[in-house]
Amino acid sequence: DTEVTQTPKHLVMGMTNKKSLKCEQHMGHRAMYWYKQKAKKPPELMFVYSYEKLSINESVPSRFSPECPNSSLLNLHLHALQPEDSALYLCASSQRLNTGELFFGEGSRLTVL
Amino acid sequence: GENVEQHPSTLSVQEGDSAVIKCTYSDSASNYFPWYKQELGKRPQLIIDIRSNVGEKKDQRIAVTLNKTAKHFSLHITETQPEDSAVYFCATPPRGQGAQKLVFGQGTRLTINP
Repeated sequence: DTEVTQTPKHLVMGMTNKKSLKCEQHMGHRAMYWYKQKAKKPPELMFVYSYEKLSINESVPSRFSPECPNSSLLNLHLHALQPEDSALYLCASSQRLNTGELFFGEGSRLTVL
Repeated sequence: GENVEQHPSTLSVQEGDSAVIKCTYSDSASNYFPWYKQELGKRPQLIIDIRSNVGEKKDQRIAVTLNKTAKHFSLHITETQPEDSAVYFCATPPRGQGAQKLVFGQGTRLTINP
């Protein structure tokens, strides 16, 4: 299995809702990432986990809360989001930090009303 | 922090011709330079990468060249085909950050005309 799987593919939520994005990989990778991608823009790094511990937080607002329950799973909990948070949220993994290739999921397209 | 400039933002070439996309970076300590391809509605995928200890790397129709003195690296696609149409992103990590903290260029939308 060489895929990173993300659910849901599409999500529409109100500003008062609480929702979660999920990401799963079974490649034995020990580094996992959340990226945000706005239309016609490059991916922007949000969080990095290494061996299930948060390694990098790119000054992301607290309304985004990451969680890494085990080496295969990565969640992004969403609460009190703003319309400008609407974007494609990409999960990625790599063998370890600094090993090069990122394997991206297909993304979760989020719309905040 | 690291700044990566990518040109051109759009590129249209005839099928069979070559395409070249260039990126410049600011941090002389950068040592890893990947290129990602993102087809419409799809995930970004690594197509080729190069480390700072080599000047050129080829993989079939794709090549990447690195000029450390001038701080730029380029993607070369030869004998272009319709399936090469996509957005291409260059990337590099800031000083001392390693490959986990990539800074992406703004992307180049490549269109191959039949």
